[in-house]
Amino acid sequence: DQQVKQNSPSLSVQEGRISILNCDYTNSMFDYFLWYKKYPAEGPTFLISISSIKDKNEDGRFTVFLNKSAKHLSLHIVPSQPGDSAVYFCAAKVNFNKFYFGSGTKLNVKP
Amino acid sequence: GAGVSQSPSNKVTEKGKDVELRCDPISGHTALYWYRQSLGQGLEFLIYFQGNSAPDKSGLPSDRFSAERTGGSVSTLTIQRTQQEDSAVYLCASSLGGEAFFGQGTRLTVV
Repeated sequence: DQQVKQNSPSLSVQEGRISILNCDYTNSMFDYFLWYKKYPAEGPTFLISISSIKDKNEDGRFTVFLNKSAKHLSLHIVPSQPGDSAVYFCAAKVNFNKFYFGSGTKLNVKP
Repeated sequence: GAGVSQSPSNKVTEKGKDVELRCDPISGHTALYWYRQSLGQGLEFLIYFQGNSAPDKSGLPSDRFSAERTGGSVSTLTIQRTQQEDSAVYLCASSLGGEAFFGQGTRLTVV
């Protein structure tokens, strides 16, 4: 059951511009959402999270937006840098339970 | 180090052999997860341990897969009679309830 979906397998953005990565979910019980970044041959690294009681969380160049009515999550990276090129996974969970991951979006930031 | 440690980092095994993958979580983390990522795929949930509760084994793909967590710390994922479709990167993560921290993974190749 694919409860978390990332419908864009890849995204290409010019350096300095905004990158917007999207994620949709089906389970309205999810109360915690996260974004992870993964480089080849490494484990995913935590990037940013948001609780379901909020609709926005910002950390430097990274902002996560949550639209609960649309069951939609997005990650904005501004400005994008070549070092941001990686696969980005969104994840969600209900309280103290397992994480459900999307299939990932490969971001390529062109110099 | 203070992060999640997995061993071995790479494992090549012959079809039909058993393998054991080890995960040392971050000290004090009560939750431990196993995921795998096949080539070009997303993160597939395998099993989840939370404290002394019964593990959530709902993601194990067959009865050839098993995992245990001894003393609430180290975990071992065992795959019996390996098949070529078991080839993947096996990722372990631990958590205190918020974000999960991943190890670098074990790349398993079944030949």
